[in-house]
Amino acid sequence: DQQVKQNSPSLSVQEGRISILNCDYTNSMFDYFLWYKKYPAEGPTFLISISSIKDKNEDGRFTVFLNKSAKHLSLHIVPSQPGDSAVYFCAASLFNAGGTSYGKLTFGQGTILTVHP
Amino acid sequence: EAGVTQSPTHLIKTRGQQATLRCSPISGHTSVYWYQQALGLGLQFLLWYDEGEERNRGNFPPRFSGRQFPNYSSELNVNALELEDSALYLCASQGARSTEAFFGQGTRLTVV
Repeated sequence: DQQVKQNSPSLSVQEGRISILNCDYTNSMFDYFLWYKKYPAEGPTFLISISSIKDKNEDGRFTVFLNKSAKHLSLHIVPSQPGDSAVYFCAASLFNAGGTSYGKLTFGQGTILTVHP
Repeated sequence: EAGVTQSPTHLIKTRGQQATLRCSPISGHTSVYWYQQALGLGLQFLLWYDEGEERNRGNFPPRFSGRQFPNYSSELNVNALELEDSALYLCASQGARSTEAFFGQGTRLTVV
């Protein structure tokens, strides 16, 4: 049961252009969403996140959009740089019933972004 | 401040053997998660430990087990290794009420 899906396994973009990475989820209980970036042979690094009470969060070149009715989120990178080439994972979590901590992250399959100079 | 550290970085085992992987969380973090990333696949949730207890478990057989110590470090044990257990095993830690988990570099387990 794939609760978080990234349907595009790869994306190729020219340097300076916009990169748009998409993610869909099925569990409406998710209330927090994150994007991680991963280079080969390294652990994922946190990039940006968004709470379900918002529809947009911006941090420098990175913006995450959340459409709860469509159960869809996207990551925009503007302008894209060759150093952005990596695997991008979206993840979702929910505050556990006890309200004391966020539980496990459920990850999508990842999208390989390649930014060409 | 030190990040999440995992050891060893690489591990080669023979089919049928046992593997033990270790994780030290960021200081102050009480939750530890284990994920498996097999070649070409996403991150599959394995185990979640918090305050020394197992809180949740992914869809993996019982030969995948672990524990969390009083200092919040954690061990992942894989018994009766199979070839398909070859993967990158990632540990992440998270503080109480924190929204992000931080990952270590991973342990590359190769079963031959």
